[in-house]
Amino acid sequence: AQKITQTQPGMFVQEKEAVTLDCTYDTSDPSYGLFWYKQPSSGEMIFLIYQGSYDQQNATEGRYSLNFQKARKSANLVISASQLGDSAMYFCAIRPPYSSASKIIFGSGTRLSIRP
Amino acid sequence: GAVVSQHPSWVICKSGTSVKIECRSLDFQATTMFWYRQFPKQSLMLMATSNEGSKATYEQGVEKDKFLINHASLTLSTLTVTSAHPEDSSFYICSAREGPGTSYEQYFGPGTRLTVT
Repeated sequence: AQKITQTQPGMFVQEKEAVTLDCTYDTSDPSYGLFWYKQPSSGEMIFLIYQGSYDQQNATEGRYSLNFQKARKSANLVISASQLGDSAMYFCAIRPPYSSASKIIFGSGTRLSIRP
Repeated sequence: GAVVSQHPSWVICKSGTSVKIECRSLDFQATTMFWYRQFPKQSLMLMATSNEGSKATYEQGVEKDKFLINHASLTLSTLTVTSAHPEDSSFYICSAREGPGTSYEQYFGPGTRLTVT
């Protein structure tokens, strides 16, 4: 079974600063995928970034980067130059190997608030 | 990109009535659809997984007779909350995934907010 842990229920960050959202995971599968989603107050789940367990390099997507430390089983999300629009809930998620049976399991989330 | 829609986006119903929520994949065929429930300030909890043409698989603790799931076609899955009660008030999110021969990428709908009075 897979498990995702997000230990920061809430964070406040000054606009334009960088922020790191923590995520640790537990799985017995050698192959897996890690995701980060953003959920604004509207409720939609917005895909941000994906890291495969065998990817050699950390994933990056614009201002988002994933600090993947496989040995420590952590997959922290780094947002550079934060903006007011980044205020939202952020969920880390894991999925076992690609198959017809695999499903995404979410962590408890971190509420990020950006101060002007 | 792949789009998943949900209808309605919000619904208010009286206690004891049933309500149906639709989930559609607009530009791809979804062999598997997932239904999640999210209570305020909590995470998404997987309720069930449905494969087109077969019965849904429910997660532990989810009442299959209360939450009826039908996945009759490759583009449509429905969740019916039967005899709804105020404790069923929640945000319901569906997710759809393509089948064999694809990347098995999973796409999320915008969610349906259910309020039972």
